[in-house]
Amino acid sequence: DQQVKQNSPSLSVQEGRISILNCDYTNSMFDYFLWYKKYPAEGPTFLISISSIKDKNEDGRFTVFLNKSAKHLSLHIVPSQPGDSAVYFCAARNYGGSQGNLIFGKGTKLSVKP
Amino acid sequence: SAVISQKPSRDICQRGTSLTIQCQVDSQVTMMFWYRQQPGQSLTLIATANQGSEATYESGFVIDKFPISRPNLTFSTLTVSNMSPEDSSIYLCSVVWFSMFYNEQFFGPGTRLTVL
Repeated sequence: DQQVKQNSPSLSVQEGRISILNCDYTNSMFDYFLWYKKYPAEGPTFLISISSIKDKNEDGRFTVFLNKSAKHLSLHIVPSQPGDSAVYFCAARNYGGSQGNLIFGKGTKLSVKP
Repeated sequence: SAVISQKPSRDICQRGTSLTIQCQVDSQVTMMFWYRQQPGQSLTLIATANQGSEATYESGFVIDKFPISRPNLTFSTLTVSNMSPEDSSIYLCSVVWFSMFYNEQFFGPGTRLTVL
């Protein structure tokens, strides 16, 4: 039973436009959500996070929105750049859970076309 | 931040054999983790490896199958024992870096294992 779901395995966006990556979760005990970016042959790298007490966190071109009632979060990238092409993983942590015990989605492959 | 390297980067192994994966961190860290990503699946935590104590395994993973060593604060190994094709995965080492303002989790580049 998947607790963190990324229902879109891939997304293609034109350079300069907005990329919206979605993530749904089922466990209401999650208190912290993260987005990781992964290039081929590299490990995932941390991108942005949001605490469950917030509904928005912004860092440059990246904004994460959290809708707790819908158990849904999204990552917005504006404007999208070809270098953003990568696999994006949504992850969540249980309240009181150990630091390393992140629950990951299966990832969404973003392609930004010039 | 922490820079993590893993060896080997990839390997092809025969059924029934064992492979030891090494993880080296450029800084001393308390908490190290081993993850697995099976084809088309999400990253799954195998175990937490803390220096000076036995590794803590997640449900579905056992020490006999995935023995872990953590001899010091910068190094760990994960052995995949008596391999079967179902063990074909990417294995990733990860650490948590604690700073005054945030705790960030870093991942190594991964070891791509194929079992024939």
